[in-house]
Amino acid sequence: AQTVTQSQPEMSVQEAETVTLSCTYDTSESNYYLFWYKQPPSRQMILVIRQEAYKQQNATENRFSVNFQKAAKSFSLKISDSQLGDTAMYFCAFMKMVGGGSQGNLIFGKGTKLSVKP
Amino acid sequence: AAGVIQSPRHLIKEKRETATLKCYPIPRHDTVYWYQQGPGQDPQFLISFYEKMQSDKGSIPDRFSAQQFSDYHSELNMSSLELGDSALYFCASSTRTGEVETQYFGPGTRLLVL
Repeated sequence: AQTVTQSQPEMSVQEAETVTLSCTYDTSESNYYLFWYKQPPSRQMILVIRQEAYKQQNATENRFSVNFQKAAKSFSLKISDSQLGDTAMYFCAFMKMVGGGSQGNLIFGKGTKLSVKP
Repeated sequence: AAGVIQSPRHLIKEKRETATLKCYPIPRHDTVYWYQQGPGQDPQFLISFYEKMQSDKGSIPDRFSAQQFSDYHSELNMSSLELGDSALYFCASSTRTGEVETQYFGPGTRLLVL
């Protein structure tokens, strides 16, 4: 079974600064995907960034980037130039590739509550 | 861009009543997932459908059932509701057309059982 661990229940950062959220996972699968989802106070689940395990290059999306260390099973999220609107719960998620091109359900970590302070 | 639609957005029920939650996936998405998120918890996978067939099952109680219809919308039926069923229920949709599958979530249905 796969597990996802987020060791930082809460973090805070000053506006315009950089913050890194940690995520580790445990799996015996070789083909899988990793995601970061953001859940603001509205509780909508919003995709932030995704990473294919077979790609060595770290994914980036504007101010968001990941540090994917496959051997260490680590998948951290870096937010640059933090904005007040980044305040949210951030969930790291794992999805295995089931086979035949299909994929499975998401397995989430417990989340990190990020507060961006003015 | 079109998003996942869930209805109703809010629902209040009494214990032992039944509830039906509906999900309309993004057009051309053929896979639907249901997740349950309790207060202060991470989302937990309940069940999924691909091309109208159940594809995977998670921690879904026997009191719950679900199906996907010919137009790809899905319904989650919940019977004999318990206080512990109070949660935010998400539907997510995706497509398996060879690209990386990404699940896009609806706004959720907030269920309160009194």
